[in-house]
Amino acid sequence: EDQVTQSPEALRLQEGESSSLNCSYTVSGLRGLFWYRQDPGKGPEFLFTLYSAGEEKEKERLKATLTKKESFLHITAPKPEDSATYLCAVPGTYGNKLVFGAGTILRVKS
Amino acid sequence: EPEVTQTPSHQVTQMGQEVILRCVPISNHLYFYWYRQILGQKVEFLVSFYNNEISEKSEIFDDQFSVERPDGSNFTLKIRSTKLEDSAMYFCASSGSHYGEQYFGPGTRLTVT
Repeated sequence: EDQVTQSPEALRLQEGESSSLNCSYTVSGLRGLFWYRQDPGKGPEFLFTLYSAGEEKEKERLKATLTKKESFLHITAPKPEDSATYLCAVPGTYGNKLVFGAGTILRVKS
Repeated sequence: EPEVTQTPSHQVTQMGQEVILRCVPISNHLYFYWYRQILGQKVEFLVSFYNNEISEKSEIFDDQFSVERPDGSNFTLKIRSTKLEDSAMYFCASSGSHYGEQYFGPGTRLTVT
């Protein structure tokens, strides 16, 4: 069964305190891994796509990396405005529907 | 920057009533989706639509649900007879390619009373 697991469930950081979020997946034949940011009451906002092991993508304070079994979202020197839920998703084994993880709720305090 | 739009932002309806949720996908996209998110739970897939037909649907998407692309810009989700458990945020998404990134709209919060 296609599955995406994210950890930790919640993360509290002080402003400037770097950390990483984890996404592990079980799917046959990975055809991309997507990171999204979701603010309360809003739709997921696309951040990154990773297609192959070893690939890295960066955007401001965020960097996403991919291995054969998991992906990491590294947050460097976070600011309060980075507070959100970060979602990881992969296309299912059959078709192109996205299978989402439960997300990591990030809170950055100043 | 192109974006997916959805209307209404909030819909309150009584159990048993029909609702239609509307979406305008990004204009040059060919793949369209509906997802939902019950409060505090994961985003879950409902249906995908390509070339004017359903390409995949989940177990949730039973006979009470239907989708339509009535013209070149709109994409709708109809729930024929709403139930209390249909209360959720409904997100429309679109993509330019089969395995490309999916862009989500802001959502419609459906409350069934």
